[in-house]
Amino acid sequence: GAGVSQTPSNKVTEKGKYVELRCDPISGHTALYWYRQSLGQGPEFLIYFQGTGAADDSGLPNDRFFAVRPEGSVSTLKIQRTERGDSAVYLCASSPGLAFPYEQYFGPGTRLTVT
Amino acid sequence: GEDVEQSLFLSVREGDSSVINCTYTDSSSTYLYWYKQEPGAGLQLLTYIFSNMDMKQDQRLTVLLNKKDKHLSLRIADTQTGDSAIYFCAETPGSSNTGKLIFGQGTTLQVKP
Repeated sequence: GAGVSQTPSNKVTEKGKYVELRCDPISGHTALYWYRQSLGQGPEFLIYFQGTGAADDSGLPNDRFFAVRPEGSVSTLKIQRTERGDSAVYLCASSPGLAFPYEQYFGPGTRLTVT
Repeated sequence: GEDVEQSLFLSVREGDSSVINCTYTDSSSTYLYWYKQEPGAGLQLLTYIFSNMDMKQDQRLTVLLNKKDKHLSLRIADTQTGDSAIYFCAETPGSSNTGKLIFGQGTTLQVKP
């Protein structure tokens, strides 16, 4: 079956611009996660959705970052007033539900470059 | 706070065993995981271990957990060139009920023919 997909695969934007990154989870997966991976580092947790609600947004670095999942399926990560430090690969993962072992299936990521 | 540490690089010869090590700080971690990341590909879950186990074997992979020392290792038997990748150790913090993962910085495994 189809895995997690993310669009675009690459995004180059200028400092100060607004960007949206999209994640299509595996059909039927109720849990959705966003992570950010900087060069040479492991992924860092950003936000977790169970259904439509953001159950844990403790990883969002500041109020320029926001994410939605209005119908409990597709999610969009929104970044306002982008800064060069936002450059990273943004990863989305989905999971069948909230039960151990919390097996998460990752998408290929969106590489964001802020110039 | 939660922290996961790994050595950055390991080089082995094809056919040898590889051992990748990880330490973590959260003594209440529930599950610990090993993920593999190949260039241009998404993170792939290799295996996981529940915190009340000390060993798990899955084909060529053996996971050892020393909970007292908060040390996790992944042994790959008969390492192949296709095993060349970045390997990430990750944990689910005991304080979390959301399943979020805390990752180490990754160990690059280079397999020489």
